[in-house]
Amino acid sequence: DQQVKQNSPSLSVQEGRISILNCDYTNSMFDYFLWYKKYPAEGPTFLISISSIKDKNEDGRFTVFLNKSAKHLSLHIVPSQPGDSAVYFCAASEAGTALIFGKGTTLSVSS
Amino acid sequence: EADIYQTPRYLVIGTGKKITLECSQTMGHDKMYWYQQDPGMELHLIHYSYGVNSTEKGDLSSESTVSRIRTEHFPLTLESARPSHTSQYLCASSDTYGYTFGSGTRLTVV
Repeated sequence: DQQVKQNSPSLSVQEGRISILNCDYTNSMFDYFLWYKKYPAEGPTFLISISSIKDKNEDGRFTVFLNKSAKHLSLHIVPSQPGDSAVYFCAASEAGTALIFGKGTTLSVSS
Repeated sequence: EADIYQTPRYLVIGTGKKITLECSQTMGHDKMYWYQQDPGMELHLIHYSYGVNSTEKGDLSSESTVSRIRTEHFPLTLESARPSHTSQYLCASSDTYGYTFGSGTRLTVV
């Protein structure tokens, strides 16, 4: 059974608007969450992370929100740019063990 | 400049051949991982190592094997490649919570 779920396979957004990518998890012991961006035939690139002791982390255009009670996190990209078009993976870890990934959401930003 | 290197980037090989996918990192990380990923699917952990001479199988069953004789080197070997092994293989290393991925090897077995 999947421990990290990204239920939206794809998302289309216009340039300049906000992109919101969602992620749900089932393991309440996860204490660290990360978002990665990936292009085809490339390895994932780290975007932003959040510890379970926080509910928000911001880095430039990227903000991650964590709702522990709902076991839900989201990545906000504002403003969205065409160069943001890629597959975005949510990942979680428990006590420094190996990352568990979701299936990814393909973001398309049109100009 | 990449701190973790995977070779080859692309490989097309015939069924039954033995192959080794190379992964090296220059960061001195103790923890290293191999993930397998197919389009539209999550990255599946197939092997990991928390230090020299330590290797474990991941969540996804794999017919591959790994070795960790040196901190910086974590090669993955398939003794007899099959078409079902066609996939992208991603190597990563980590220091506490910081993961760095290589560019991956796209393997096609014909």
